[in-house]
Amino acid sequence: QKEVEQDPGPLSVPEGAIVSLNCTYSNSAFQYFMWYRQYSRKGPELLMYTYSSGNKEDGRFTAQVDKSSKYISLFIRDSQPSDSATYLCAGYTGGFKTIFGAGTRLFVKA
Amino acid sequence: EAQVTQNPRYLITVTGKKLTVTCSQNMNHEYMSWYRQDPGLGLRQIYYSMNVEVTDKGDVPEGYKVSRKEKRNFPLILESPSPNQTSLYFCASSRVLEPYEQYFGPGTRLTVT
Repeated sequence: QKEVEQDPGPLSVPEGAIVSLNCTYSNSAFQYFMWYRQYSRKGPELLMYTYSSGNKEDGRFTAQVDKSSKYISLFIRDSQPSDSATYLCAGYTGGFKTIFGAGTRLFVKA
Repeated sequence: EAQVTQNPRYLITVTGKKLTVTCSQNMNHEYMSWYRQDPGLGLRQIYYSMNVEVTDKGDVPEGYKVSRKEKRNFPLILESPSPNQTSLYFCASSRVLEPYEQYFGPGTRLTVT
């Protein structure tokens, strides 16, 4: 079993929709949870991270962690065509190792 | 501009021919790491370094070597590349106390025939 699981998609939504991207994880030692965005032919860039459980909001993006169910979510409000990318969730245990999910491809249609 | 650079960006080579992929960062980060990205498998860590002369294995270190002689540079060495090392490689860096906030390079696409 992979430590971080993501549905690969693709997920296709119309412009303006609310997008929900999700991951499940199995490693109870994860302390930090991250979301990275990766455009085609580019390196991943950090969108946001959360420590332990709870919500964190940054503009149109909200990250949510539920440690009781080992579930990580990223919500994108008012989605734009420029949000079309692959989104990677990841967990960090504190031992200098980060475990990534395989990514979900998102297409936002104008 | 704060950035992580990698060279080359694209490389096609043959089995057994030694190669080095360079990585350099200008953010004075202590922590640097190498990943490979394969379809369906996501990013997997190869090696990482907490500071100069301090390196450790990630999840898929077989067939790779690294060195960290300067803070800004962290080259990845494939001494005898094989076709199963065909992949997209990323270098990343961060502050040592914030390894959850990594900055990634643009990637190196390697093909071994």
